[in-house]
Amino acid sequence: GNSVTQMEGPVTLSEEAFLTINCTYTATGYPSLFWYVQYPGEGLQLLLKATKADDKGSNKGFEATYRKETTSFHLEKGSVQVSDSAVYFCALTSTGGTSYGKLTFGQGTILTVHP
Amino acid sequence: ETGVTQTPRHLVMGMTNKKSLKCEQHLGHNAMYWYKQSAKKPLELMFVYNFKEQTENNSVPSRFSPECPNSSHLFLHLHTLQPEDSALYLCASSQGVWENSGNTIYFGEGSWLTVV
Repeated sequence: GNSVTQMEGPVTLSEEAFLTINCTYTATGYPSLFWYVQYPGEGLQLLLKATKADDKGSNKGFEATYRKETTSFHLEKGSVQVSDSAVYFCALTSTGGTSYGKLTFGQGTILTVHP
Repeated sequence: ETGVTQTPRHLVMGMTNKKSLKCEQHLGHNAMYWYKQSAKKPLELMFVYNFKEQTENNSVPSRFSPECPNSSHLFLHLHTLQPEDSALYLCASSQGVWENSGNTIYFGEGSWLTVV
C-alpha cells in the first residue's frame, strides 16, 4: 500500500535559519504529492503540491521538488519566521481506480521557530 | 475563509449524549470527507462521499453515522461515544473522483470533540 514517512520532530530553529523537512514515500503508479500545514488550533491548509516528477511546488517561500528517482518530496525554506511555527504534513494521493483522492498522510513534523 | 466551514468548533459531550457535527463547503465540489486527528496518530480517513453517495467507510464504528444530504453539506452524527473518541474531526472536500489529476483536497478548521 501507499505510505509516507517524514523526519522525526520536533524541529526547533532560530528565526532566519534554513529549514528542511524530509519526506519520502512509497506508492504505486504516479501519485501526486502535497505539503499541508496546521497552525495551532486550526485545521489543515494546503501549502503546496506537485503532480508529476520534477515538478516544484512553491508557496510563501516554501519549496518542494517531486523526485521520483529518490521517492522524495522534501520541504525547504531559506529563512524561517516565527509565524512558520506549525505542524507540517507530507501527503500523497493514490492513483486512479476507486481511490477517490484518498490522502495518505505522514505523521507530521512539529516546527518551532524562536525569535 | 477556507471555503469549508465546520460547526461547532468545540464540543463537549457525555457518553450517553447524541450530537452532530456539521460541515458545509462553498467551493462547488462534489466529494466530501471526514477525517479524524488524534494525538500522536496519523490523520485517519473515516468516510468519503462522492455526489452524495458514500463510497468509503474506513471500518468506522457504528457510533459514528455520516449523512450527506447534498454535495455541499456533510454531517457526522455522534451517539454513545467513548472517551477515546475525543479528537479533532476534520471535514474536507474536493472536486470529485480523482483520476491522476492531482485533485486537491481542502480542509475545514475542524471540530474539537471531547467525550467525558
